[in-house]
Amino acid sequence: SAVISQKPSRDICQRGTSLTIQCQVDSQVTMMFWYRQQPGQSLTLIATANQGSEATYESGFVIDKFPISRPNLTFSTLTVSNMSPEDSSIYLCSAKQRTGASTDTQYFGPGTRLTVL
Amino acid sequence: AQSVAQPEDQVNVAEGNPLTVKCTYSVSGNPYLFWYVQYPNRGLQFLLKYITGDNLVKGSYGFEAEFNKSQTSFHLKKPSALVSDSALYFCAVRDPTTISNFGNEKLTFGTGTRLTIIP
Repeated sequence: SAVISQKPSRDICQRGTSLTIQCQVDSQVTMMFWYRQQPGQSLTLIATANQGSEATYESGFVIDKFPISRPNLTFSTLTVSNMSPEDSSIYLCSAKQRTGASTDTQYFGPGTRLTVL
Repeated sequence: AQSVAQPEDQVNVAEGNPLTVKCTYSVSGNPYLFWYVQYPNRGLQFLLKYITGDNLVKGSYGFEAEFNKSQTSFHLKKPSALVSDSALYFCAVRDPTTISNFGNEKLTFGTGTRLTIIP
């Protein structure tokens, strides 16, 4: 299994500012994903972070609001830009194992709890 | 489109009793099914998955799940509940035949079921 860490674990931010969340995996992985979990709700996929190419965004999410980087096979960042209180959520990083098969398990980081005032 | 339903927001079980957390799915092809658990202030932890083969899948912490194709269900079960099993449980599905912007990788989650084990 992959061990995933995220930084920061939580943050309180002012509206209009931006926050970059880092995700580190302890092994090389083919695919990394970013999810949002709003209070009391399920997980919603934001985008897939692809190494060496642009991220692929789910409907309703745009690159200007959630720019993503994937500089190598073990690391990714998600930026939440121009934040508003509606962005208050837990943001979760996820990764699939190296084999890349569709049967592979996705593992999740501990999440970043973001509060926007 | 693939979807998952967890019909119960909350399940309460007495410690030592068997527990069941329900999940039904909808996909166009043969599904890959997953269960995850989320403890307070923690990320999601993988419990088990069904890909193919034996319909009864065993996973972590004594949990198991039964794939029932005719009922399109994948209920999570444990013979004897522990207080430490209290958490939020998510069922998820991936349809490998559905090609989206993510290839066939999209994992769709249910709304979650909060399991409370009563001492």
